[in-house]
Amino acid sequence: EADIYQTPRYLVIGTGKKITLECSQTMGHDKMYWYQQDPGMELHLIHYSYGVNSTEKGDLSSESTVSRIRTEHFPLTLESARPSHTSQYLCASSEFRGDSETQYFGPGTRLLVL
Amino acid sequence: DAKTTQPTSMDCAEGRAANLPCNHSTISGNEYVYWYRQIHSQGPQYIIHGLKNNETNEMASLIITEDRKSSTLILPHATLRDTAVYYCIVDALQGAQKLVFGQGTRLTINP
Repeated sequence: EADIYQTPRYLVIGTGKKITLECSQTMGHDKMYWYQQDPGMELHLIHYSYGVNSTEKGDLSSESTVSRIRTEHFPLTLESARPSHTSQYLCASSEFRGDSETQYFGPGTRLLVL
Repeated sequence: DAKTTQPTSMDCAEGRAANLPCNHSTISGNEYVYWYRQIHSQGPQYIIHGLKNNETNEMASLIITEDRKSSTLILPHATLRDTAVYYCIVDALQGAQKLVFGQGTRLTINP
């Protein structure tokens, strides 16, 4: 069982507000990821990190930004929330075993922007 | 784009074995087959993965055909809590692992 945490679990916020979604893991994993998922739809990679001070954009264009100052922490920030940002945001970290990489996901943050 | 094909939905009786197929005919030699599941709207949960040999862990077994073009995830004694969407993914260790989840198979375990 992986130890990866996300807060808040649910967030309702007004348009224009700045929000930060927290993600932390206690496994010492270098790689971390952020995905966005709408209900019943596929997961889309929006950001990832190879380790401290590394951040990369994923396949899905996103107005969010991320930072990686500490190994265990990978927060995602929306400077000005809009209704189109309403979605579920999933954080993951990964471990390596030989030639394979396995991702472990947090419980997700459900965001509703009014 | 997902490199795998799975049935959209399946049903299985509680206590029976659930066999979930996956086709990955374009799989490359260095790509692993991963299985994850997502229960309701929770974060995806890793189940098992393999390269070419069959694998078994406390959750499931993975059977990969000799040509590696298809595989089957087996839940030996399905319970109601196994009701979820199951995703078969192929991926190689290169840069960031970009798990392409596709639509998956919605498995319903019936009492």
